[in-house]
Amino acid sequence: EPEVTQTPSHQVTQMGQEVILRCVPISNHLYFYWYRQILGQKVEFLVSFYNNEISEKSEIFDDQFSVERPDGSNFTLKIRSTKLEDSAMYFCASHRTSGTYQETQYFGPGTRLLVL
Amino acid sequence: AQSVTQLGSHVSVSEGALVLLRCNYSSSVPPYLFWYVQYPNQGLQLLLKYTSAATLVKGINGFEAEFKKSETSFHLTKPSAHMSDAAEYFCAVSDRKTGNQFYFGTGTSLTVIP
Repeated sequence: EPEVTQTPSHQVTQMGQEVILRCVPISNHLYFYWYRQILGQKVEFLVSFYNNEISEKSEIFDDQFSVERPDGSNFTLKIRSTKLEDSAMYFCASHRTSGTYQETQYFGPGTRLLVL
Repeated sequence: AQSVTQLGSHVSVSEGALVLLRCNYSSSVPPYLFWYVQYPNQGLQLLLKYTSAATLVKGINGFEAEFKKSETSFHLTKPSAHMSDAAEYFCAVSDRKTGNQFYFGTGTSLTVIP
């Protein structure tokens, strides 16, 4: 069964460093998402992406964050200058069809980011 | 604003006992509700979803959930817990106002005691 994959599974970085989290969505999916979960808190929406552009973003997704689909298969989240509060589990998700709120989103296993 | 509350961050049940994981939502318009499960080192897997058809929704692995509008609840149940049910469970809501976003609860960690 197709699944969303994410790399790396764990990443440790120093504050102020850039990190790139990678996701490979399910191959025929068209809509892509990043969510994050700070330890003990809710899973929070960061951004959605369709047709090579951001379709929605939350208040969390500030200028330090960017997303890209560089090669038609990967979907990346870049944090330019990490802060301690960026430490969290980051989930990638995707779905295929029209992008309505009824569609099941398929999630990857997450990347646990620790900023020291 | 849309939100989800999951009461009980940790729930322990004995093997064979009833599993009840609670989810309450707030939404100003008819919601769509989802339960996801996360096993260790795996992604969030859809258990079941409510999309305004039958209020009692059956999912995978013997789980079911009932949408109760009057109580704004969507509790997840399973009659008899198995050891393999030990995992993290997330409730999520979406509606036409949230667009593509899902709003999640904080999750409930289920422990099954042999």
